[in-house]
Amino acid sequence: KNEVEQSPQNLTAQEGEFITINCSYSVGISALHWLQQHPGGGIVSLFMLSSGKKKHGRLIATINIQEKHSSLHITASHPRDSAVYICAVSFLYSGGGADGLTFGKGTHLIIQP
Amino acid sequence: SAVISQKPSRDICQRGTSLTIQCQVDSQVTMMFWYRQQPGQSLTLIATANQGSEATYESGFVIDKFPISRPNLTFSTLTVSNLSPEDSSIYLCSAIRDRSSYEQYFGPGTRLTVT
Repeated sequence: KNEVEQSPQNLTAQEGEFITINCSYSVGISALHWLQQHPGGGIVSLFMLSSGKKKHGRLIATINIQEKHSSLHITASHPRDSAVYICAVSFLYSGGGADGLTFGKGTHLIIQP
Repeated sequence: SAVISQKPSRDICQRGTSLTIQCQVDSQVTMMFWYRQQPGQSLTLIATANQGSEATYESGFVIDKFPISRPNLTFSTLTVSNLSPEDSSIYLCSAIRDRSSYEQYFGPGTRLTVT
């Protein structure tokens, strides 16, 4: 079964702390996405990774294909970073190409001032 | 990139009625997807909508309950039929421009409450 596991499920931290959210998956993937969902439900795509590391502002995403694991880091966290962070993957299919995503359950992050 | 809008953004519907959700992309895209997020659950793929062919449904979702249209390369609709309280969810549309690129763009979601 193709699964995506995220940890932790909930995380509360103080402003300024370094945040790490983890994602692991069960089988080979073509791409991994990190998404941010705000209370209203809208989703913003943060990163798409197929290898290595990407950085955007205070956000860093890494992926280790061999270990089937990815991490999302937030440096100098701020209360406005409070949201649900979701890992989603495109699993490899024999036909190749992109398909619908399989999502993790999300990490509820709260940054307290 | 592509900008996706959804209508309505939220609605409250009575049991037994239907709701049609519209998804509009500001540029042509290859594939469009519809997802559901039930309260406290992760997003789940309902179906893939391709222009010029019938939608492909995931296990547990059927066309009679979730009919989908894709009349052109920028627009799709999802209808949730014969509503029950269990259909109360966020429904999300996404799209990819090029199947080889894997990058997906997401709509803002439609929050449906069934009373």
